[in-house]
Amino acid sequence: DTGVSQDPRHKITKRGQNVTFRCDPISEHNRLYWYRQTLGQGPEFLTYFQNEAQLEKSRLLSDRFSAERPKGSFSTLEIQRTEQGDSAMYLCASSRDNTDTQYFGPGTRLTVL
Amino acid sequence: GDSVTQMEGPVTLSEEACLTINCTYTATGYPSLFWYVQYPGEGLQLLLKATKADDKGSNKGFEATYRKETTSFHLEKGSVQVSDSAVYFCALRKTSYDKVIFGPGTSLSVIP
Repeated sequence: DTGVSQDPRHKITKRGQNVTFRCDPISEHNRLYWYRQTLGQGPEFLTYFQNEAQLEKSRLLSDRFSAERPKGSFSTLEIQRTEQGDSAMYLCASSRDNTDTQYFGPGTRLTVL
Repeated sequence: GDSVTQMEGPVTLSEEACLTINCTYTATGYPSLFWYVQYPGEGLQLLLKATKADDKGSNKGFEATYRKETTSFHLEKGSVQVSDSAVYFCALRKTSYDKVIFGPGTSLSVIP
């Protein structure tokens, strides 16, 4: 396994701009998760895909956030009209069916100025 | 709702000291329990896990036992090293496809 990869690792943007992050899960992992981690806190769940279907979304995921996984492989997370409160580390994780363990990527650190 | 509580940090220990990081959870049913570790500048890594009551997870000298009666999953190590300095997250997962619910994390610094 090459591990979960995320791109970019760091993103600095101005308030009001749109940003998009990419996550490539471990191959053959059909479940993909997005989390957000703010400084000094544990990760908080945002949304989850099984293959290309988005099965659950957290209340944290406002209308400005959208996630896709069009072919059931990589996923994108877009934030529109960014706000300073969106500054956080965005983590992606993947797992196989019927396994407990989620494997996390290195994260994308977003800073909104 | 389901939640995880863990002892506040930061925790500072001398090398070779004993470590205990307390973790308790609130959840219906029988969740799986995890400890994840985040080393400086790196992503979250699974340290150990336990899937049912009285199971003991272990890895790299760390241990934690799933205690259903006290809803706890305390992390222990008999002799810490400088390389163990990291943030440790206790977590639970209700089913094999569910999201992971994390505690706030406990920062550990081990000094020579």
